[in-house]
Amino acid sequence: DAGVIQSPRHEVTEMGQEVTLRCKPISGHNSLFWYRQTMMRGLELLIYFNNNVPIDDSGMPEDRFSAKMPNASFSTLKIQPSEPRDSAVYFCASSFGWTGNTIYFGEGSWLTVV
Amino acid sequence: KQEVTQIPAALSVPEGENLVLNCSFTDSAIYNLQWFRQDPGKGLTSLLLIQSSQREQTSGRLNASLDKSSGRSTLYIAASQPGDSATYLCAVSPRSSNAGNMLTFGGGTRLMVKP
Repeated sequence: DAGVIQSPRHEVTEMGQEVTLRCKPISGHNSLFWYRQTMMRGLELLIYFNNNVPIDDSGMPEDRFSAKMPNASFSTLKIQPSEPRDSAVYFCASSFGWTGNTIYFGEGSWLTVV
Repeated sequence: KQEVTQIPAALSVPEGENLVLNCSFTDSAIYNLQWFRQDPGKGLTSLLLIQSSQREQTSGRLNASLDKSSGRSTLYIAASQPGDSATYLCAVSPRSSNAGNMLTFGGGTRLMVKP
């Protein structure tokens, strides 16, 4: 099993540009999560999908952030327009079942907005 | 709102020592608690998952305990090795009908084991 796959691993972009982060969950997993990690705030849940449907997006910081899951094997997190304070590591994670099961994280997308 | 705190924030020990990492949470209405390891520049790897009905879980040299009523968990690492150097995070999932695996994380304990 290849695990959760994220791309790009690293991205440097200028303020105002659109950023799209991609995630492929583990095959068979039906729950997908986007987390953001910063030094100041630690790990924060942004949005959670179950069976491709967004269940909770209360962690999405602003309307500049949007996430989609068009099918069971692909999700995107988009920031438009990007700002320097969006610089962080964005993690995608997946698990099987509703709750109580081990969650698997990707290696993250390191975003720097200059 | 659930808050998770980990103490200490950083810990440096000589190789071979047994050590305890602490995690506390403010809302005892949890579904489970998980301990993760994060190496620099990497994602998180799940180490142990304790359901709210359980008191402890063990995996090799690792033992995690859970006292839900007092809002505490400990991760015990026996006979520490330099390869154990990493950041250890605990996280709780809420007891809610639609919460799924929505984890609230602590700030982590950065562990360094010196040869």
